[in-house]
Amino acid sequence: DAKTTQPPSMDCAEGRAANLPCNHSTISGNEYVYWYRQIHSQGPQYIIHGLKNNETNEMASLIITEDRKSSTLILPHATLRDTAVYYCIAAFSNNAGNMLTFGGGTRLMVKP
Amino acid sequence: EAQVTQNPRYLITVTGKKLTVTCSQNMNHEYMSWYRQDPGLGLRQIYYSMNVEVTDKGDVPEGYKVSRKEKRNFPLILESPSPNQTSLYFCASRGGRGSGKPYNEQFFGPGTRLTVL
Repeated sequence: DAKTTQPPSMDCAEGRAANLPCNHSTISGNEYVYWYRQIHSQGPQYIIHGLKNNETNEMASLIITEDRKSSTLILPHATLRDTAVYYCIAAFSNNAGNMLTFGGGTRLMVKP
Repeated sequence: EAQVTQNPRYLITVTGKKLTVTCSQNMNHEYMSWYRQDPGLGLRQIYYSMNVEVTDKGDVPEGYKVSRKEKRNFPLILESPSPNQTSLYFCASRGGRGSGKPYNEQFFGPGTRLTVL
């Protein structure tokens, strides 16, 4: 799986959009970009994933650059409950064994 | 409710006393996995299973055993725990092809915090 690079921490004001960047310059054509988050030692939670096109679901939007070397997770209206560590992962969709490699992630602090 | 459950949630034990952490999922998932999480080291995979009676080592398998006799259960066994196995453990599962879910959408359990004295 391609290595990803994320800033170690970010702050965001409550109610504002949180934009979390991720670099994955060595991503291959068949690797997806996945985002998970972990709220204070709970089990990680799936947020969204994408291959080439931008994606949106009830939790977030994922913007992938045209060259696929970077992406941004957008939480449109961050709340205090969005304070968590956010992991960006590049992985093949059919990897049978080594399921996902979680790096250091970005610690997002949403402030009142 | 679709979920992954782990028991116990918290455990304090002593060196050498065998223990088992249970993991169960109710989603009929084929794939199950165990991770440990340590400060500064992120999540590291211990063992995984692609189906009943099919298991394989992850990145840090030493000191652990697993079994997959039933599809829903994937217990983690520490035959002789040592203090360096003090950690936060997560079980995870995901469906295989045709499950209707993003192939890599993993569902994680709530975690088991283990302390070995």
